[in-house]
Amino acid sequence: DIVMTQTPLSSPVTLGQPASISCRSSQSLVHSDGNTYLSWLQQRPGQPPRLLIYKISNRFSGVPDRFSGSGAGTDFTLKISRVEAEDVGVYYCMQATHPALTFGGGTKVEIK
Amino acid sequence: EVQLVQSGAEVKKPGESLKISCKGSGYSFTSYWIGWVRQMPGKGLEWMGIIYPGDSDTRYSPSFQGQVTISADKSISTAYLQWSSLKASDTAMYYCARHLDEFDYWGQGTLVTVSS
Repeated sequence: DIVMTQTPLSSPVTLGQPASISCRSSQSLVHSDGNTYLSWLQQRPGQPPRLLIYKISNRFSGVPDRFSGSGAGTDFTLKISRVEAEDVGVYYCMQATHPALTFGGGTKVEIK
Repeated sequence: EVQLVQSGAEVKKPGESLKISCKGSGYSFTSYWIGWVRQMPGKGLEWMGIIYPGDSDTRYSPSFQGQVTISADKSISTAYLQWSSLKASDTAMYYCARHLDEFDYWGQGTLVTVSS
């Protein structure tokens, strides 16, 4: 299975400041069709996960533009340009390139 | 509006069987995969398996193969996750989610508690 490694495990951030989360895969996530099926999910406390970003950098419907995704191959990043109180939660990367879908371990974003 | 509505919380004893459900609406149920994801208390997300209701093609994570059964009834736009003999370690929140290239819509979750 593809192992997805997220860093940091926890990210205390001051309101209005940026946050960045890294996700590294154990193998390339470039599919034979040329797409890279790397997505980012947000899970607020007590809520189900919610899709933020798909195929590395595409924001899902209704997602604020302060969220952005980047990367290629095996290294990916989620950035929040200015953290707001509602951004508190756990963020997961997920790959769907390889048949066994896998999630990263999660990064907790909290307010300092 | 796309919605996935899951069945309610369950409390079961070890050894009992269970089938939980996930009903899709607001889209063509047979045109998207439905996946199941486990979240144990205080832990991360684990992919269990996925089914294509259009033809019932089903794939399992190696970690869950033989432990659970995923099925779907396209006539009522509902996917299922079932256990034949629950263990205490099956205590978790279970989510269904719609999948094409990513999990774009999620159910609200079904909490399963297994305790003697």
